[in-house]
Amino acid sequence: GDSVTQMEGPVTLSEEAFLTINCTYTATGYPSLFWYVQYPGEGLQLLLKATKADDKGSNKGFEATYRKETTSFHLEKGSVQVSDSAVYFCALSAEANAGNMLTFGGGTRLMVKP
Amino acid sequence: NAGVMQNPRHLVRRRGQEARLRCSPMKGHSHVYWYRQLPEEGLKFMVYLQKENIIDESGMPKERFSAEFPKEGPSILRIQQVVRGDSAAYFCASSSWTGTEAFFGQGTRLTVV
Repeated sequence: GDSVTQMEGPVTLSEEAFLTINCTYTATGYPSLFWYVQYPGEGLQLLLKATKADDKGSNKGFEATYRKETTSFHLEKGSVQVSDSAVYFCALSAEANAGNMLTFGGGTRLMVKP
Repeated sequence: NAGVMQNPRHLVRRRGQEARLRCSPMKGHSHVYWYRQLPEEGLKFMVYLQKENIIDESGMPKERFSAEFPKEGPSILRIQQVVRGDSAAYFCASSSWTGTEAFFGQGTRLTVV
C-alpha cells in the first residue's frame, strides 16, 4: 500500500539556519504530494503542495520539489524563524483516490532557538 | 467563510462510556474525512463520507467505531464503550467535490480515564 517516510525529529536549529526535512514516498501511479504544518494545540494547515513530477510547491519561504525519480518531496527553507517551530507532516493523496484521502508520514518536530 | 468546525475541542470519558465527536465541514464542501492521531504519531485515515454515504471506511476499527454524515447537520464520529487506547486527537477534514485540497479542523482531543 501507499506509505510516506519522513525523517524523525526533533530537529533543533538556530534562527536563520537552513532547514531540510526529508520525505520519501511509495505509491502507485502519480500521487499528489503535500506538506502540512501543525502548531501546538492546533489542527493541520496546508503549507504547500505539488500535483505532478518536477512541480515545485512554495509558501512562506518554504519549498519542496516533486521528484519522481527519487520518490521524494523534501521540505526546505533558507532561513528559519522561531515562529516556524511546529510539527511538519509530509502526505500524499493517491492518484486512484476518489476523494482526498491522505496518507501521512509520522511527522517531524522542528524547534528553532533564538 | 468559517473553516471546518469540530466540537468539542476536548472530551473526557470514563472507560465504557460513549464518545460523540462532531464535525461541520466548510460551506460548500460535501466530502468529509476523519483521521486519528495517536500521541507522538502521524495521522491515520479512518473514514471518508459524503452526504448520507460512507465512501471508504478502510481505516475504521471494525468494532465500537461508527461514522455518519446525514443530509442535515454535522458529521458524527461515534466511539462506543471507549477504552484507554482510544485516547487520541481526532481530526476532521473537508473538501469540495472538485478540490484537490482538504481543509482540517482543530481536532477533538479525547482522553479516556
